[in-house]
Amino acid sequence: DAGVIQSPRHEVTEMGQEVTLRCKPISGHDYLFWYRQTMMRGLELLIYFNNNVPIDDSGMPEDRFSAKMPNASFSTLKIQPSEPRDSAVYFCASTQGTENQPQHFGDGTRLSIL
Amino acid sequence: DAKTTQPNSMESNEEEPVHLPCNHSTISGTDYIHWYRQLPSQGPEYVIHGLTSNVNNRMASLAIAEDRKSSTLILHRATLRDAAVYYCILRDGISSGSARQLTFGSGTQLTVLP
Repeated sequence: DAGVIQSPRHEVTEMGQEVTLRCKPISGHDYLFWYRQTMMRGLELLIYFNNNVPIDDSGMPEDRFSAKMPNASFSTLKIQPSEPRDSAVYFCASTQGTENQPQHFGDGTRLSIL
Repeated sequence: DAKTTQPNSMESNEEEPVHLPCNHSTISGTDYIHWYRQLPSQGPEYVIHGLTSNVNNRMASLAIAEDRKSSTLILHRATLRDAAVYYCILRDGISSGSARQLTFGSGTQLTVLP
């Protein structure tokens, strides 16, 4: 079975540029989560969707961050404009909404903003 | 949210059993105990979960104290590939919506010595 697929795996860009991270969840999963991991703050939830609808975006750091889920098989996390402090590993995860189903994580996108 | 406490790091010898402890003294009656692990350069991976009874699967065993204020993840025979950060997470098994998210602490870094 294909797992959660994220692209790109690595992204290096200059401050001020727009960055778009992509995620394909596991087919049939109705929840999708975006997390960010840094050494200082660990793994933090940014936003999650249920049936393509954003449910809780309270973890999104500021207006420069936005996330969309146009259909059940695709989601994007966009940062515009990017700043060096956005450098982190960004993970996407998906799960079925039934009780206690595990979350399945992608391998992440390592983002470096110069 | 009820919180968990884990040692920052542990060491084990290869092919020996490993017992990873987790304290959760404020656990509620509907909280499930979930364990995830994160191998280097990968996203978190589900290991096991339980409510009251001990649980076994192909990866590990979960031993839950009778008062549920602590639990232990048991790797029966550690291999070098088990070196990872192990996260113990409480998750409400009844509430919908926001309870689907995972709140990661700092976890236990397990080092397996050859």
